[in-house]
Parts: sequence; structure tokens; C-alpha cells
Amino acid sequence: GENVEQHPSTLSVQEGDSAVIKCTYSDSASNYFPWYKQELGKGPQLIIDIRSNVGEKKDQRIAVTLNKTAKHFSLHITETQPEDSAVYFCAASPWGGGSEKLVFGKGTKLTVNP
Amino acid sequence: DGGITQSPKYLFRKEGQNVTLSCEQNLNHDAMYWYRQDPGQGLRLIYYSQIVNDFQKGDIAEGYSVSREKKESFPLTVTSAQKNPTAFYLCASSNPTNEQFFGPGTRLTVL
Repeated sequence: GENVEQHPSTLSVQEGDSAVIKCTYSDSASNYFPWYKQELGKGPQLIIDIRSNVGEKKDQRIAVTLNKTAKHFSLHITETQPEDSAVYFCAASPWGGGSEKLVFGKGTKLTVNP
Repeated sequence: DGGITQSPKYLFRKEGQNVTLSCEQNLNHDAMYWYRQDPGQGLRLIYYSQIVNDFQKGDIAEGYSVSREKKESFPLTVTSAQKNPTAFYLCASSNPTNEQFFGPGTRLTVL
């Protein structure tokens, strides 16, 4: 089955700096890769996703890149702000046009220091 | 206002008791999921349902049961057979393009 590894487990940056979180996956059939942000005591929120037919996707200050050959994908947050502080999860899924399971990484706790 | 609701937000259970966690969605999604989250861990899949009256075990189904009698509802029962039930439980539903959306969660504590 699919296995997703996420690094680092904690990340501390200064406000305004960039943050990068990396994930690797094992199943070459996976072709859908979402990223979630979870604030303390709340459910995860989908912030961006990418499918295997593209290599990069941007949405304002966040971007995701995908390297299918190497089986890794990354989340990039630029111009970080204190409200970006949260736990971020990556996931992978062998999306086949229906509703498929997601396999999650263990999360990265991001702290943005003012 | 569309979304996923979970109740209660906090739940306390005595050892040996079964408890049922509620999950309702008004997004008209066919697929629904239950995850368990422990401190410092990712989300682990308990059960999922791709359509009404059908559900499958996830990675950690032992000690849990579900039903899917209505499209909008996917309740999870934590039975006394679950040895370590204290955790944060998350319900989700997904659209046909596999975007999964989560509810606010239920924190279960065994006393």
C-alpha cells in the first residue's frame, strides 16, 4: 500500500521568510496530492492540491511542486505570516475518477515568529 | 451554509461503554470517511463509505463500527473492544474529484 513520509516534523521561521515542507510517496499509481492546514483543536482545511498531470501549482503565497519521477512533492509558503502557524499535512491518493482513500504524512508543525 | 458537522465536540466515556459519534454533511457527497488522530501523528483511516448502504474497513477498524443508512449521515460507534479510544476523531466527505473536506472533530476521552 501507499506510504507517505513528511519532513521536517517541526519548522520555525521568521515572519517574511519562506517555508518549505517536503513529502515522498511510495505508490507510483498515486496521482492526487493535497495539502491540509490544521489549527489547534480544529479539523484540517484543504489549502492546495496538485494532480499528476502538472508539475507546479500556485495560489497567492502558497505553491506546490510535484516530481513524479522521484516520487516527491513539496509545499512552499512565501512571505510567511504569524497566522500561517499551524500543522500542515500532505497526502497522496491513487485517484481513479471516483472517491479514493487518502494516505497522510505525519504532519509538520510550522511556527512563524513575529 | 454547506459543510460537515460533528457532534459532540467533546465526549467523555467510562471504560466498557460504547459511544456513538455523529457526522452529518449537506454537501451532497457520496463518499464519507472517519479518521483517528493521536498527538504528533497523522490521520489514520478507520472506515470509509463510497455510497449509501456500503462501507469498508480502513487501516484501524478494530473496535469500531459504522452505518451508512442515509447519504448525509455516517455515524461512528466506538465499542468497548477498542482498547485505547482516547483520541481526536475526524469525519470527512469527498466530491467526485477526490477533494476531501473535514468536519471540526470530536475529542473523545475515556475516564
